[in-house]
Amino acid sequence: GAVVSQHPSRVICKSGTSVKIECRSLDFQATTMFWYRQFPKQSLMLMATSNEGSKATYEQGVEKDKFLINHASLTLSTLTVTSAHPEDSSFYICSASGLAPDTQYFGPGTRLTVL
Amino acid sequence: KQEVTQIPAALSVPEGENLVLNCSFTDSAIYNLQWFRQDPGKGLTSLLLIQSSQREQTSGRLNASLDKSSGRSTLYIAASQPGDSATYLCAVFGNFNKFYFGSGTKLNVKP
Repeated sequence: GAVVSQHPSRVICKSGTSVKIECRSLDFQATTMFWYRQFPKQSLMLMATSNEGSKATYEQGVEKDKFLINHASLTLSTLTVTSAHPEDSSFYICSASGLAPDTQYFGPGTRLTVL
Repeated sequence: KQEVTQIPAALSVPEGENLVLNCSFTDSAIYNLQWFRQDPGKGLTSLLLIQSSQREQTSGRLNASLDKSSGRSTLYIAASQPGDSATYLCAVFGNFNKFYFGSGTKLNVKP
């Protein structure tokens, strides 16, 4: 089956720093990638949808200047959390789809802890 | 706005029991419904996908049903095992090409 990887799996940073998370589709070309955030004991919430080569579409309430998303190739999308604060601590999961957006392959997630 | 609810939030059963997890959604205009498994600190593993035109899907000891008109789905796990312990998430794929997730049912199967 299709494999999606994320790097790093876990990151701890100081408040005010920026953190970049990578999402890669290893064996297929991902037309669309999705970024989700999951707080403890809560559901996954879609943050943004990105299509290769175009600007990401952010969900209501998600600050696009704080969560920078780049989808420069069909196999790589990055999420940069700028000037991270403790409230940004969460589990970030990406997913990737080919031509059918209802078939998404999920990455293993990245645990971000901001001190 | 689509809202997905899962009941119960947590469930603890002895090994060997059959169990049912419930999922409900408010907007019946969906394309499909999926059940996922999430282990602690890990990503999602897709278990079953039911298209909106289907009533159920089966995979091994798992059976998922869908009643789109009433906005309900159930995941039936037969002969539960300790390895089934995980959080089970229900998600519907609907308007605006988006997944809407429930908050999950945390299952603990005791040996």
